[in-house]
Amino acid sequence: EAQLVESGGDLGQPGGSLRLSCAASGFTFSSYWMHWVRQAPGKGLLWVSRSNRDGSSTSYADSVKGRFTISRDNAKNTLYLQMNSLRAEDTAVYYCARELRGTGADAFDVWGQGTMVTVSS
Amino acid sequence: QSALTQPASVSGSPGQSITISCTGTSSDVGSYNFVSWYQQHPGKAPKLMIYEVFKRPSGVSNRFSGSKSGNTASLTISGLQAEDEADYYCCSFAHSSTFGAYVFGAGTRVTVL
Repeated sequence: EAQLVESGGDLGQPGGSLRLSCAASGFTFSSYWMHWVRQAPGKGLLWVSRSNRDGSSTSYADSVKGRFTISRDNAKNTLYLQMNSLRAEDTAVYYCARELRGTGADAFDVWGQGTMVTVSS
Repeated sequence: QSALTQPASVSGSPGQSITISCTGTSSDVGSYNFVSWYQQHPGKAPKLMIYEVFKRPSGVSNRFSGSKSGNTASLTISGLQAEDEADYYCCSFAHSSTFGAYVFGAGTRVTVL
């Protein structure tokens, strides 16, 4: 069974950094595009970033561009999100998600349980 | 502000059918057949219910169906059951300068009366 497990969520300082990880199992991680999606408390879903299969192509929502970096280690079956210059509005549950087909445009068919990031002084 | 417009809430009695609309623009819903729908119960991760406008993943009940006309996509739940009470989000691939590659709706709370 395909599974994603996020970790790394924590209380971060404004202007500080955090690194999220997403460990994949039960499927061939290197065959899939992967994404990060976040959800602020009581709010809806917001797409954050995506990576193609080998990490050579990435993209970001404007709200995180230049501050967040997505990467992956296919040997370790792990996706990462490096979050720098944190802002209060980055406070959210961060989900990693697998893309259904390798188009860079399709739905997210496997989700992790999420990891909470709180940005506050 | 979300890119796609959904009603905040929809309700129905057990056994009834309800439809949730999702209105976008010609830059997202209207241009791509990459519209998906997610169900989210409180405190849980989203679950894919519909992809590519009308396709159902394995294991999703055929009571859930999707469609699209122009810039508006729709999710219909027929034979409403208590377990269907949840938040539902639509999502579309897009080339948005604001939201990036994907845009979501703000979500619709489905209540089973």
